[in-house]
Amino acid sequence: DGGITQSPKYLFRKEGQNVTLSCEQNLNHDAMYWYRQDPGQGLRLIYYSQIVNDFQKGDIAEGYSVSREKKESFPLTVTSAQKNPTAFYLCASSPGTGGWSSYEQYFGPGTRLTVT
Amino acid sequence: RKEVEQDPGPFNVPEGATVAFNCTYSNSASQSFFWYRQDCRKEPKLLMSVYSSGNEDGRFTAQLNRASQYISLLIRDSKLSDSATYLCVVIPNTNAGKSTFGDGTTLTVKP
Repeated sequence: DGGITQSPKYLFRKEGQNVTLSCEQNLNHDAMYWYRQDPGQGLRLIYYSQIVNDFQKGDIAEGYSVSREKKESFPLTVTSAQKNPTAFYLCASSPGTGGWSSYEQYFGPGTRLTVT
Repeated sequence: RKEVEQDPGPFNVPEGATVAFNCTYSNSASQSFFWYRQDCRKEPKLLMSVYSSGNEDGRFTAQLNRASQYISLLIRDSKLSDSATYLCVVIPNTNAGKSTFGDGTTLTVKP
């Protein structure tokens, strides 16, 4: 089955530790995205990548880092510099090949990160 | 002012009702628009793309008003299963990767 996987579903870390969230897609999509969602709020864009080996900062990139070494993988590292890391993290991908459907984003199930 | 704004609701409607949500956007250069549905503690799922000419999918109708810079979602004959949060997404033509989500409108359909 084609889709996007994120692991783990729940993650607990101590303050001061870096943590890396996994995102893998087998949809052959060019573009991938990371969002953060806080309770009762919408999604905020952290980083996005429209092609392998290239990525751009979104609206709230401070304290996060990403890599895009393979088309199917876009891991997100939450560093100790992120002041309020506890949140629901969502990864998405879109075809990015031109045409209206290029921008239709499909989401993974998300990772709930709790930092204490 | 936020780039994308939605009435947070909640909208509480009886089964069978018709309900409409609006989403306003501030960037006149926006090119692509979508509606997503998000159930509690789940990931958003694509509901509809919003085409310039408007589009319909069963009980759902999406429309775009470029002059007034808003998109709308109309749900007819509401079902209990329509209860969810509805998110709009706006994508600028200057940077297709930088999509902006609204905060969502919560709909509760009651028996």
